[in-house]
Amino acid sequence: DAGVTQSPTHLIKTRGQQVTLRCSPKSGHDTVSWYQQALGQGPQFIFQYYEEEERQRGNFPDRFSGHQFPNYSSELNVNALLLGDSALYLCASSSGLPRGTQYFGPGTRLLVL
Amino acid sequence: AQSVAQPEDQVNVAEGNPLTVKCTYSVSGNPYLFWYVQYPNRGLQFLLKYITGDNLVKGSYGFEAEFNKSQTSFHLKKPSALVSDSALYFCAVRDEGSARQLTFGSGTQLTVLP
Repeated sequence: DAGVTQSPTHLIKTRGQQVTLRCSPKSGHDTVSWYQQALGQGPQFIFQYYEEEERQRGNFPDRFSGHQFPNYSSELNVNALLLGDSALYLCASSSGLPRGTQYFGPGTRLLVL
Repeated sequence: AQSVAQPEDQVNVAEGNPLTVKCTYSVSGNPYLFWYVQYPNRGLQFLLKYITGDNLVKGSYGFEAEFNKSQTSFHLKKPSALVSDSALYFCAVRDEGSARQLTFGSGTQLTVLP
């Protein structure tokens, strides 16, 4: 049984560019959450998708947007990249919230130059 | 609002000794509490959770955690540390009533010395 998968593993972009990160949830999970983990910090919640809709959003600007597909996979898009967007982006999948456990993928390391 | 504090950035312990990684939390309703571990350049791996019931929760790899409502704490423990336990540990909380998101602490780097 495959766990949460994310692609790509690493990405280098320049300021002002746009990036799309992808996530496939664990089998049987219908909810996807995205987190940003800056170096030396704990993960920060970006948003959560369930039934193809954004259900909750953290304190991130509108440059951060997402999508969930009918097969429950998800994308995170970041526009107009800033140097401060350099981080590890983590996807987590779950089912049966609020009690359900979120399981994390390996992350995508984004470097903005 | 929900928050988590991990008061120790670094914990060092000798192999074979018991270990404790501390966590305190704040939520407006009942808490759901979690511990995750992160190895270098990896995602987060789930260790254990407290939802309701017994205050002592047992998880993966011999780890356990004790929920203390009066002290709003959820400390992670292991009776006998292994060198392979060396990693970054995160405590996280979710409010039962209102929050879908996990709020994480800043992490504690555990080093087990041989």
